[in-house]
Amino acid sequence: QKEVEQNSGPLSVPEGAIASLNCTYSDRGSQSFFWYRQYSGKSPELIMFIYSNGDKEDGRFTAQLNKASQYVSLLIRDSQPSDSATYLCAVNRAMNSGYSTLTFGKGTMLLVSP
Amino acid sequence: DGGITQSPKYLFRKEGQNVTLSCEQNLNHDAMYWYRQDPGQGLRLIYYSQIVNDFQKGDIAEGYSVSREKKESFPLTVTSAQKNPTAFYLCASSPGRNQPQHFGDGTRLSIL
Repeated sequence: QKEVEQNSGPLSVPEGAIASLNCTYSDRGSQSFFWYRQYSGKSPELIMFIYSNGDKEDGRFTAQLNKASQYVSLLIRDSQPSDSATYLCAVNRAMNSGYSTLTFGKGTMLLVSP
Repeated sequence: DGGITQSPKYLFRKEGQNVTLSCEQNLNHDAMYWYRQDPGQGLRLIYYSQIVNDFQKGDIAEGYSVSREKKESFPLTVTSAQKNPTAFYLCASSPGRNQPQHFGDGTRLSIL
C-alpha cells in the first residue's frame, strides 16, 4: 500500500509567522502532488499543486518538492488566524486498472494564534 | 457557476436500509471519485470512474455500489451490507490523469 505521511499536529504558530507543513510519500513513481485545506466540518479545498522539483509560489503559499527525498512541503507566509485548518497532502497513485487517483495523508492541523 | 453538488447534506439510515448519495458535476470532468472520511482519518477511496459506463473499486468498496450512466452524475449507494456507514462522504471530480481533484460539500451519513 502506497503511503503518504504527515505529522498530525497541531502545529501552533503566532499570527504573522511562517508555517511549515511537511509530507513524505512512499511511491517513487509519483508525479503529481497536491495540498488541500480542510476547515472543520467542511470539504477539502485545493490550495496548490506541484509537478516538478523545486519551489512553486502562489501568493502567501509556497509548495516545495524534492523527489529524490520523496518529500513535499507547504510554507504559509504571514500566517493568519483564518489559516487555522487541517492541511491534507495528496499524491497521485497509479491503479491496477491503468487509471490514477490520489492517496491522501491524514492531515496536519494548523493553529494560528492572534 | 461550475461545481460539484452533493445531496443531501445530512442523511440518516435505518438498519437494513439502502441509501443513495447524489453527486452531480457541471465541470465537464471525465473522472469522478467517492471517498469516505472518518474523524481524525484521511480520505479513503471507495469507487472511481474515468469514463461513462465504467467504474472501478477503490480500497474500501465492500458494502457500496455506484453507477455512471451520465458524465455528470456518479451516485453512491450505501447498502445494508456496510455495517459501519457513519462517516463523511465526499465526491470529487477531475479533468483527467494526474490532474487536481475538486470536491463537493459532502454528505454526512448517520445510523438511526
